Amino acid sequence: EDQVTQSPEALRLQEGESSSLNCSYTVSGLRGLFWYRQDPGKGPEFLFTLYSAGEEKEKERLKATLTKKESFLHITAPKPEDSATYLCAVQGIFGSARQLTFGSGTQLTVLP
Amino acid sequence: DAGVIQSPRHEVTEMGQEVTLRCKPISGHDYLFWYRQTMMRGLELLIYFNNNVPIDDSGMPEDRFSAKMPNASFSTLKIQPSEPRDSAVYFCASSPGQREKLFFGSGTQLSVL
Repeated sequence: EDQVTQSPEALRLQEGESSSLNCSYTVSGLRGLFWYRQDPGKGPEFLFTLYSAGEEKEKERLKATLTKKESFLHITAPKPEDSATYLCAVQGIFGSARQLTFGSGTQLTVLP
Repeated sequence: DAGVIQSPRHEVTEMGQEVTLRCKPISGHDYLFWYRQTMMRGLELLIYFNNNVPIDDSGMPEDRFSAKMPNASFSTLKIQPSEPRDSAVYFCASSPGQREKLFFGSGTQLSVL
């Protein structure tokens, strides 16, 4: 059974204070690892897909990296508008092709 | 494009009543998903469709839950009878392909009293 563990559960940062969110996963074979952002009262919004260890992707102040056991979402010089819950999900090669297993998320608060 | 549209945004009902949630996916997307989100269990996949055909409903909690997709632009998730433990946010999402990202709607907040 695929498993995803995200840490920390909550993170408070001062504006400009860089940090990283962790996503540890267990999957028999990785088809893809996804990062989503979720704002209160809204559905998750896609950020990145990573497919193989060593891959990196960037978008504005966010950078996602992937190893064989975990993924990191690095946030550089965050702003208050980056406050949200960040969700990680994995898609394994076994089982239902479109099954995504989500982590419980990291709630990020960036203080001005 | 308006994105994935769900209705209603909020639903409050009493235990035993029938609840119907509605979803309009993004035009041209072949995959449609129903997820449930709770504090305790996070986001869980209930069922997904490909080209209007249900592919995997193993996440549907029990027979009280049913989902249909009569055409490419509309899907429903029905709970009959509803129970307080069904209270959650229900999300619909669509995707243009098998490995493509998911586009989520804004969700339906369901409260069963």
